[in-house]
Amino acid sequence: SQQGEEDPQALSIQEGENATMNCSYKTSINNLQWYRQNSGRGLVHLILIRSNEREKHSGRLRVTLDTSKKSSSLLITASRAADTASYFCATDRGATNKLIFGTGTLLAVQP
Amino acid sequence: NAGVTQTPKFQVLKTGQSMTLQCAQDMNHNSMYWYRQDPGMGLRLIYYSASEGTTDKGEVPNGYNVSRLNKREFSLRLESAAPSQTSVYFCASSDQPRSPLHFGNGTRLTVT
Repeated sequence: SQQGEEDPQALSIQEGENATMNCSYKTSINNLQWYRQNSGRGLVHLILIRSNEREKHSGRLRVTLDTSKKSSSLLITASRAADTASYFCATDRGATNKLIFGTGTLLAVQP
Repeated sequence: NAGVTQTPKFQVLKTGQSMTLQCAQDMNHNSMYWYRQDPGMGLRLIYYSASEGTTDKGEVPNGYNVSRLNKREFSLRLESAAPSQTSVYFCASSDQPRSPLHFGNGTRLTVT
């Protein structure tokens, strides 16, 4: 079964707007990661947040983690057409070495 | 710097045929992974190798076998392909378990 579930499944916004994607998970984690996938390509790592962190920034990306609610959000500010992609969260499961991905959010940024 | 290289890029098999998907990384990573990606299902872990000499099952291992040939190479074998194995297969590597993954560009497999 999927560890992570992203919502919304799809999101369409205009260039310059902010995009927020959410990820919920089921079991305790050591860290949570976000990835981007352009059409027809492999996934690219964006950011990793550890279970003892609450917020992390990287350029136009802001990630929050709420372990009490077992949820995370990815905010992309001032979006660009080049941000059009699918975004996935991935979590490990406690003591295991498995990194499990959610089903993804498809983001379309209209120029 | 090639990163993670997967071969072949595309493959069509008939039901019952076998094949091996190859994956090699040049980043001296310890851990390697095989995922499959299907529409609406996200990525599902098939097998992984936390370090050279070890392999473990993921979420969907049935119908597959793996070999960690050396630190660089991790192959995925389909002994008797089935239409349900039609998918895009991604290999990934990381410095250590739970570290950020580096992905190849995938192998698109169709089983008829």
